[in-house]
Amino acid sequence: GENVEQHPSTLSVQEGDSAVIKCTYSDSASNYFPWYKQELGKRPQLIIDIRSNVGEKKDQRIAVTLNKTAKHFSLHITETQPEDSAVYFCAASRAGGSYIPTFGRGTSLIVHP
Amino acid sequence: DVKVTQSSRYLVKRTGEKVFLECVQDMDHENMFWYRQDPGLGLRLIYFSYDVKMKEKGDIPEGYSVSREKKERFSLILESASTNQTSMYLCASSLPTTGEQYFGPGTRLTVT
Repeated sequence: GENVEQHPSTLSVQEGDSAVIKCTYSDSASNYFPWYKQELGKRPQLIIDIRSNVGEKKDQRIAVTLNKTAKHFSLHITETQPEDSAVYFCAASRAGGSYIPTFGRGTSLIVHP
Repeated sequence: DVKVTQSSRYLVKRTGEKVFLECVQDMDHENMFWYRQDPGLGLRLIYFSYDVKMKEKGDIPEGYSVSREKKERFSLILESASTNQTSMYLCASSLPTTGEQYFGPGTRLTVT
């Protein structure tokens, strides 16, 4: 089955810095890669996703890049703000498998004011 | 706006009790999921269902069972609760054609 590794497990940055979280996956058939943000005490929510037919996707201060050859994808957050502090999860799944996801273990991002 | 609700936010049960956790979604999603979330271990899939009365084991099904009698409702059952089942349980739903998961608020279960 699929295996997703996520690094780092914790990331501490100063407000205004950039943050990068990386994930690798094992199943070359995976073709959908979402990122979820979970604020303290709240449910995970999708913040951005990418499908394997594109290499990069941006939405304001967040972006995701995908390298299919190396089987890794990354979340980039620019100009971090305290409200970006949360746990971020990556996941990998495939259309042929009804998009049953395998999640990474999560990254706790702390943005210091 | 998709809504996924769970029957309890907090639950305290004794070892050996039978525990029911219920999840309801209102967007006619075919897929429904149960995860447990533990610090440092991320979201681990217990069971999922892709249709009424259909279920598939996830990565950690031992000690759990599920029931899906109606499309909108997916129940997680702990037949005989044990202390190592103390955890946060998250339900989710999705369409099989898009992949985005919609999560419930979670149930914090404590087994004493």
